[in-house]
Amino acid sequence: SQQGEEDPQALSIQEGENATMNCSYKTSINNLQWYRQNSGRGLVHLILIRSNEREKHSGRLRVTLDTSKKSSSLLITASRAADTASYFCATQETSGSRLTFGEGTQLTVNP
Amino acid sequence: DVKVTQSSRYLVKRTGEKVFLECVQDMDHENMFWYRQDPGLGLRLIYFSYDVKMKEKGDIPEGYSVSREKKERFSLILESASTNQTSMYLCASSLYYNYEQYFGPGTRLTVT
Repeated sequence: SQQGEEDPQALSIQEGENATMNCSYKTSINNLQWYRQNSGRGLVHLILIRSNEREKHSGRLRVTLDTSKKSSSLLITASRAADTASYFCATQETSGSRLTFGEGTQLTVNP
Repeated sequence: DVKVTQSSRYLVKRTGEKVFLECVQDMDHENMFWYRQDPGLGLRLIYFSYDVKMKEKGDIPEGYSVSREKKERFSLILESASTNQTSMYLCASSLYYNYEQYFGPGTRLTVT
């Protein structure tokens, strides 16, 4: 079963705006990861946040993790048309070694 | 940079055929994974391997088998392809189980 659920399913913004995507999960985790997928391609790892971390930055990406609410958010600042892609969160549960992916948020950045 | 390659980008096979999907990684990673991706269902884990000749079933192993004879290569086998196995197949590898995964470009398989 899918542990991570992204919200919204689809998001359309203008270039230069910020994009925020959310992920909720159900069980205890070791870490939570965000991936990007361009249309018809493989996934690319963006950022990993461990369960004892609350916030992490990488370039224009900011990820937060709230383990008490079992939720995470991905913020992309100053978005560009090239950010158009699907974004997935994936959780690694404390009980296992595999990642469980959500169904993704489709982000469209209009030039 | 880590590179994960898959043998084909697009593949068309007939029902009942035996299908081999190959995946190779060049970074000496311990773990390798096979997923399928379908609209509305996200990525689902078929099988994974944490060492040579070792394999573990994922969430949807039925109709599939795998082989890992060498550390860098992980093969997915469809013993007798069926139309419901039409999908995008993604291979991934990671250094350790709790690290990020590196994905190949995917193989879009159509079974007719």
